[in-house]
Amino acid sequence: KAGVTQTPRYLIKTRGQQVTLSCSPISGHRSVSWYQQTPGQGLQFLFEYFSETQRNKGNFPGRFSGRQFSNSRSEMNVSTLELGDSALYLCASSLAGHGTDTQYFGPGTRLTVL
Amino acid sequence: GNSVTQMEGPVTLSEEAFLTINCTYTATGYPSLFWYVQYPGEGLQLLLKATKADDKGSNKGFEATYRKETTSFHLEKGSVQVSDSAVYFCALSDARTGANSKLTFGKGITLSVRP
Repeated sequence: KAGVTQTPRYLIKTRGQQVTLSCSPISGHRSVSWYQQTPGQGLQFLFEYFSETQRNKGNFPGRFSGRQFSNSRSEMNVSTLELGDSALYLCASSLAGHGTDTQYFGPGTRLTVL
Repeated sequence: GNSVTQMEGPVTLSEEAFLTINCTYTATGYPSLFWYVQYPGEGLQLLLKATKADDKGSNKGFEATYRKETTSFHLEKGSVQVSDSAVYFCALSDARTGANSKLTFGKGITLSVRP
């Protein structure tokens, strides 16, 4: 079974631009979560989607948004990029998004904002 | 809210040494507990998990026991290898019925194993 895939793997943008990251979950998984990883703040939860609905959102500004499609693929968007948005963005999928489910992570998208 | 505290790092050990990485948590109810590992340039891989008190998770020689009385989930391995060099994260999720799977992570600890 193929794992979680994320595209692109690397991105370089400039301040003020917007960016869209994509995540394809493991086949059959309906829950997709996004996390931001930085050296200073560690791993922080962005949001979770289940059956095309956002179920939970972390403490990030409205510039961070996401969506999920009927095939469970998910995208996240960051508008008006700031230098502090430079990070590794990780996507994780699980079967049903229950607390006991294992989340499987993709390799991440490394975003650099100049 | 939920939180996870990991011991400060980095940790450097010689090959075949015994490893313990401490992890304690604060949570309401009965969280599920996880250890994830991250190798350079990669995403996170599940190492092991435990979903209820006194459960022991194990994988690749690593073990951790869910201790509700001490709110701990310490990671141990009897004999580390150079290939175990990576960053290790302790995490929890809210296991209440109907709750989602948001993970709360510790800060991570870098393990380096010398030949």
